[in-house]
Amino acid sequence: EIVLTQSPGTLSLSPGERATLSCRASQSVSNNYLAWYQQKPGQSPRLLISGASTRATGIPDRFSGSGSGTDFTLTISRLEPEDFAMYYCQQYGNSPWTFGQGTKVEIK
Amino acid sequence: EVQLVQSGAEVKKPGDSLRISCKDSGSRFTSYWFGWVRQMPGKGLEWMGLIYPGDSDTRYSPSFQGQVTISADTSISTAYLEWSSLKASDSGMYYCARQPGGYPFDIWGQGTMVTVSS
Repeated sequence: EIVLTQSPGTLSLSPGERATLSCRASQSVSNNYLAWYQQKPGQSPRLLISGASTRATGIPDRFSGSGSGTDFTLTISRLEPEDFAMYYCQQYGNSPWTFGQGTKVEIK
Repeated sequence: EVQLVQSGAEVKKPGDSLRISCKDSGSRFTSYWFGWVRQMPGKGLEWMGLIYPGDSDTRYSPSFQGQVTISADTSISTAYLEWSSLKASDSGMYYCARQPGGYPFDIWGQGTMVTVSS
């Protein structure tokens, strides 16, 4: 089973700043099948990025994903107030699919 | 609009059985995988398993294998998650989600809260 480790656990930033979230896999993710989700309190997760770097439908271009193999990054270029939330990475290339433990982006 | 509508919150006792549901509206139900994800209070997301209703192929996380059963009824476009004997540690929010082949979970249900308490 692939273990995904996200860092940092919490990111304290101000609106307008850049956020960089990391997701490291314990072994290479097949086909770079790495996704990022956003979850706000009381809501279901929302898909942001698939295939490491492809934005899902309707996701603003301030969200971008990069990386391959075992190291992946989600970047939010300029934080908007609605971006403060939990973010999870997930690999879906190797069964069982697994999630990282999450990174909380909070207002500084 | 594609939606996944889950059954309502449940309060059960340890040892009870339970089946929760996830109804797909708007998809070609037999052309997608449907998965289940657990989120315990204040914790992260855990992938439990998924099913392909087209041929009933089912995959489980080792952590949940033997603990739950995932099934689907194609006649009513509904996926299920079932427990035969609940434990207090099964309490949590359970989400269903749709997964196109080679793609992650793109549509999520609203979640079903399960509370197991004596």
